[in-house]
Amino acid sequence: QVHLQESGPGLVKPSETLSLICTVSGGPVTSPVHYWSWTRQPPGGGLEWIGYVHSSGSTYYNPSLESRATVSMDTSKTQFSLKLRSATSADTATYYCARETVTMVGTRYFYYGMAVWGQGTTVTVSS
Amino acid sequence: DIQLTQSPSFLSASVGDRVTITCRASQGISNYLAWYQQKPGKAPRLLIYGASTLQNGVPSRFSGSGSGTEFTLTISSLQPEDFATYYCQQINSYPFGQGTKLDIK
Repeated sequence: QVHLQESGPGLVKPSETLSLICTVSGGPVTSPVHYWSWTRQPPGGGLEWIGYVHSSGSTYYNPSLESRATVSMDTSKTQFSLKLRSATSADTATYYCARETVTMVGTRYFYYGMAVWGQGTTVTVSS
Repeated sequence: DIQLTQSPSFLSASVGDRVTITCRASQGISNYLAWYQQKPGKAPRLLIYGASTLQNGVPSRFSGSGSGTEFTLTISSLQPEDFATYYCQQINSYPFGQGTKLDIK
């Protein structure tokens, strides 16, 4: 069974880069049907999707975060990561990594949602 | 950008009640919609994808319907473990709805 685990600093200073890693165990990260995502949730707030990476190297981001976010993958370590530059207090949140399954039949995509999630890691941006 | 609006934002109900949560998209999204349940301090849990397909292991009292711009999540008979916050999400450009908090009346 696939398991995801987030890790990284719990405290980041304003203007610095927030960096998190998601370690994947129990399954490969190179399957073509899996997309690896980051989502965050501010204290008391709702969910905000950040972006995903595919083992092919393709990425896609929430337009509101695209200028500051980078999601990348290290297949040798079965990890993927999030870097969010120029952090502010608004980036204080619990960050979750997740796996989505997407298949393609002919020219049509079938989306199966984000079925596997990490437990989340809390990051506070403060001096 | 596509926006998802859930209603209601808060819902009080009793065990055994039938409840329905609505998610409206600002433009048509076919059936590219998922529903998630989240309990305090926990990661979201996928309930439904493709607007109406139940994820493995999810109780059959949960159901989803809709296509285009209007979608619903129905819980046919509330159980104590169903009191949580529910989110819809468009699953190919990824915005979430703002959430519906379901609590005990």
